Amino acid sequence: NAGVTQTPKFRILKIGQSMTLQCTQDMNHNYMYWYRQDPGMGLKLIYYSVGAGITDKGEVPNGYNVSRSTTEDFPLRLELAAPSQTSVYFCASSSPTTKTQYFGPGTRLLVL
Amino acid sequence: AQSVTQPDIHITVSEGASLELRCNYSYGATPYLFWYVQSPGQGLQLLLKYFSGDTLVQGIKGFEAEFKRSQSSFNLRKPSVHWSDAAEYFCAVGPILTGGGNKLTFGTGTQLKVEL
Repeated sequence: NAGVTQTPKFRILKIGQSMTLQCTQDMNHNYMYWYRQDPGMGLKLIYYSVGAGITDKGEVPNGYNVSRSTTEDFPLRLELAAPSQTSVYFCASSSPTTKTQYFGPGTRLLVL
Repeated sequence: AQSVTQPDIHITVSEGASLELRCNYSYGATPYLFWYVQSPGQGLQLLLKYFSGDTLVQGIKGFEAEFKRSQSSFNLRKPSVHWSDAAEYFCAVGPILTGGGNKLTFGTGTQLKVEL
């Protein structure tokens, strides 16, 4: 039981490049989330999903896109990378009843 | 709108000393409350949570937290800190009602340093 896995662990992007951050969970959780973490700012919700085919914006969605075609996977897409997207990105999942969110190990992204 | 305040950005304690990390929340109803811990370079790990019932909850690694409705607080405590407790601690609040994605609002974190 791996829990929530994220790839890659670290990535350097040039301004204007695009990339997809991968997230997979094996707990059969309906709910999945993407956060970004910046120093001194806590975690900010980017997007979330309540099930396959259903996604919604969080607090800071600009510059990102998501899709959810399966229960297990919830990739995050950056289309035109900007320096402001330099951050650590965390994926999490939960079930509707237990409400506890389980986090992946994170992806550190540097945009230069 | 809900919010979480962790007033202490950094705290330093000596190993073996007691610890209390503060958390205050603003929420329209009784919320679910969580404490998470993040070691350097790692994801967040759940320490404990409060949903209902006994207002003193026990968690992993010897941590406990007390929900005080009148003070809108959910402070984290540990009687004797170990050097391995050095990490960043996050308080979070979420809705009791199921639905809407059970989104959490996180505080900005408290960085704990342990002096040997």
